[in-house]
Amino acid sequence: KQEVTQIPAALSVPEGENLVLNCSFTDSAIYNLQWFRQDPGKGLTSLLLIQSSQREQTSGRLNASLDKSSGRSTLYIAASQPGDSATYLCAVNDYKLSFGAGTTVTVRA
Amino acid sequence: GAGVSQSPRYKVAKRGQDVALRCDPISGHVSLFWYQQALGQGPEFLTYFQNEAQLDKSGLPSDRFFAERPEGSVSTLKIQRTQQEDSAVYLCASSLAGGQFKNIQYFGAGTRLSVL
Repeated sequence: KQEVTQIPAALSVPEGENLVLNCSFTDSAIYNLQWFRQDPGKGLTSLLLIQSSQREQTSGRLNASLDKSSGRSTLYIAASQPGDSATYLCAVNDYKLSFGAGTTVTVRA
Repeated sequence: GAGVSQSPRYKVAKRGQDVALRCDPISGHVSLFWYQQALGQGPEFLTYFQNEAQLDKSGLPSDRFFAERPEGSVSTLKIQRTQQEDSAVYLCASSLAGGQFKNIQYFGAGTRLSVL
């Protein structure tokens, strides 16, 4: 069974600092890996999707890397803003999604 | 429709009641998934359909949970004799079976179920 772990569980940084969120998974036989954002009481917002053949994906201030052989992905958020405060979830797709428990980020103004 | 639609958005049930949650996937999407998200946790897989066939129901927590997709489009997740531990957000996702965007799941906003 695929196990997905996210570290740290929570993170608090001052505005402007870069964020580094880690995700590890146990089975490398995946189609893709996806990073989601979830605000309290809200649904999932897809941020980035990395296909299994890719090494990284970028969108604006967000960059995600994927190392399938070591079972790791990292989400970088540059120059954090208070609006980035949310829970970030990674999910690996081996036809169904297996999610981590998330990293709750607080960016202090 | 433009996106995955779920209804109702909120459901309050008394313990022991039966509930039915509806998912209307993106038009043309062959695959449909149900997930359960407990408070403070990541979503957990419940079941998967390809067209009307339920190919994987390994995540359904008990025989009180039942899902169907009789015409290969709209799906209903039914929970019988609800218990307090069923309180969660139920998420539906759909995807194409082939092409450039296969294996990308698009999520609905979810149904928040509270069992009192």
